[in-house]
Amino acid sequence: KNEVEQSPQNLTAQEGEFITINCSYSVGISALHWLQQHPGGGIVSLFMLSSGKKKHGRLIATINIQEKHSSLHITASHPRDSAVYICAVTVMKTSYDKVIFGPGTSLSVIP
Amino acid sequence: KAGVTQTPRYLIKTRGQQVTLSCSPISGHRSVSWYQQTPGQGLQFLFEYFSETQRNKGNFPGRFSGRQFSNSRSEMNVSTLELGDSALYLCASSLGALAKNIQYFGAGTRLSVL
Repeated sequence: KNEVEQSPQNLTAQEGEFITINCSYSVGISALHWLQQHPGGGIVSLFMLSSGKKKHGRLIATINIQEKHSSLHITASHPRDSAVYICAVTVMKTSYDKVIFGPGTSLSVIP
Repeated sequence: KAGVTQTPRYLIKTRGQQVTLSCSPISGHRSVSWYQQTPGQGLQFLFEYFSETQRNKGNFPGRFSGRQFSNSRSEMNVSTLELGDSALYLCASSLGALAKNIQYFGAGTRLSVL
């Protein structure tokens, strides 16, 4: 079982719809990151969370540390939101830190 | 402020050769991390450098190495290239340690090994 899982794997939505992407993890983490990757490869960091909820424009990210679960919500979706959304966790150990990535959710928003 | 710059953007090499990729972080950032992205394995963590020292390392063979200079610029080297090393290599910089800071990514270097 992967340490970081995402659902759904693929998502198609109509413009204007409310979208939710889920991330669950099985390790103790210091932080969880939501990343956006457009075709061509560039990655943008959307949120870094260690507790609670954050909002930036139409994007909202929440995390439940006890349940080891995070969600990324997109309100009033737009075709420019079409991208791959990746959940990543950072793990702090005594002797090292590491980053573990989820497999990504491919989102397509249709006009 | 300039973003993270990776050079070159594209690279074609043959099996057995070695390659060096470069990453210039955002000014003031002391941490540089390297990642490999392939269709089969997704994104994987290679290593992190902080103040010229390798602080963290992922599960990659010793053919993958790196270094960081006093100006925080970093290079990644892959020796004895294999076909499976074909990938998008991304670097990211952050103000502080990897575990607790937002990462800013470069556009990546796409390496093809023939």
